[in-house]
Amino acid sequence: EAQVTQNPRYLITVTGKKLTVTCSQNMNHEYMSWYRQDPGLGLRQIYYSMNVEVTDKGDVPEGYKVSRKEKRNFPLILESPSPNQTSLYFCASSPARGDGGTQYFGPGTRLLVL
Amino acid sequence: KQEVTQIPAALSVPEGENLVLNCSFTDSAIYNLQWFRQDPGKGLTSLLLIQSSQREQTSGRLNASLDKSSGRSTLYIAASQPGDSATYLCAVDSNYQLIWGAGTKLIIKP
Repeated sequence: EAQVTQNPRYLITVTGKKLTVTCSQNMNHEYMSWYRQDPGLGLRQIYYSMNVEVTDKGDVPEGYKVSRKEKRNFPLILESPSPNQTSLYFCASSPARGDGGTQYFGPGTRLLVL
Repeated sequence: KQEVTQIPAALSVPEGENLVLNCSFTDSAIYNLQWFRQDPGKGLTSLLLIQSSQREQTSGRLNASLDKSSGRSTLYIAASQPGDSATYLCAVDSNYQLIWGAGTKLIIKP
């Protein structure tokens, strides 16, 4: 089944404790991205990747890191989480921007930083 | 900077009605516009994608239109059903980023 998976689905952590949210897609998509969703603000893009080893900042990259060493994986790293990073995070992938760009979303990771 | 607005923020209608959701954007230089559906506790599902060169797209009871010059898109839902209840989001592909509206929460009353 074609899908985007994220782990963990729910996470409670404390300020300053490094964490990684994994994202994996099995559709051989080139384009992957991370979003956060906050009430009243909608979804905002954190980082995106056009292909392996190619990443770029979205609207709200501060406090986050990403890497794209393999085509299928695009982990989101919070080196020193803070309470303002409490949010619902979505990973998405699409074949490439040029062919229509319909994005497939993971189920979301709900993060609480205390 | 691209901004996307969705009106109304919430809408409640009886089952069977036809309805229109609105999306507006400030910069007409877009690559495409997409409509998504989000169900509580779940991810997002792509409904329709309109390329910048297109005027509309249809899928079943859904029809989305795009008017780049006026910065507007509409999502038309025909013969609404309770299963259509969800939050509907529009997103504009602009400068390699997806810029999102805050969504319209739709409730279809049986």
